[in-house]
Amino acid sequence: AQKVTQAQTEISVVEKEDVTLDCVYETRDTTYYLFWYKQPPSGELVFLIRRNSFDEQNEISGRYSWNFQKSTSSFNFTITASQVVDSAVYFCALSEPSPNSGYALNFGKGTSLLVTP
Amino acid sequence: DTGVSQDPRHKITKRGQNVTFRCDPISEHNRLYWYRQTLGQGPEFLTYFQNEAQLEKSRLLSDRFSAERPKGSFSTLEIQRTEQGDSAMYLCASSPGGASGFFGPGTRLTVL
Repeated sequence: AQKVTQAQTEISVVEKEDVTLDCVYETRDTTYYLFWYKQPPSGELVFLIRRNSFDEQNEISGRYSWNFQKSTSSFNFTITASQVVDSAVYFCALSEPSPNSGYALNFGKGTSLLVTP
Repeated sequence: DTGVSQDPRHKITKRGQNVTFRCDPISEHNRLYWYRQTLGQGPEFLTYFQNEAQLEKSRLLSDRFSAERPKGSFSTLEIQRTEQGDSAMYLCASSPGGASGFFGPGTRLTVL
């Protein structure tokens, strides 16, 4: 079963619009970690944020903000005033620590964001 | 550059050939992970090393795949008798412990 669901396959917005990327996860662990990565056309995975399961505080970093809600098992990502440079594929990932797989990441299928001028 | 490095960045090979990729983790990172990413999908976990010990291998890692991490430093991933289905981006990540994910730039493999 898919542990991380990113229901939006593709999103297209016009520059300066706000956009929210959804992420729903599934786990039975009480200790886990959630991540967001950006993957531009170059292919490199760029780390954006890590959240542990005990910290539900929302976070803001410049134009980026994250809303973590354990009650709905969601970890949504909002870009405010989007820019063309935000165009990329964004991945949400879940880490459930284990002795054998360490902190291996379980990724969603990604959301492709296109920001047009 | 003190990030994770991977070599080569691109590899084109013919079906049936063997290929080997290398990953150099961030210095002193004792945990190392390999992932595979096919077109339109998120990365999928392949295998995990803690120091030189390979602790976990995904079912995606068929018998044609082997990974090593001698001396707990760099790691290699070898694919024998490549198939067209092996075409993908192979990503390496390292961490010092705990949940973190420092990824390398990846090796893009194309099997003709």
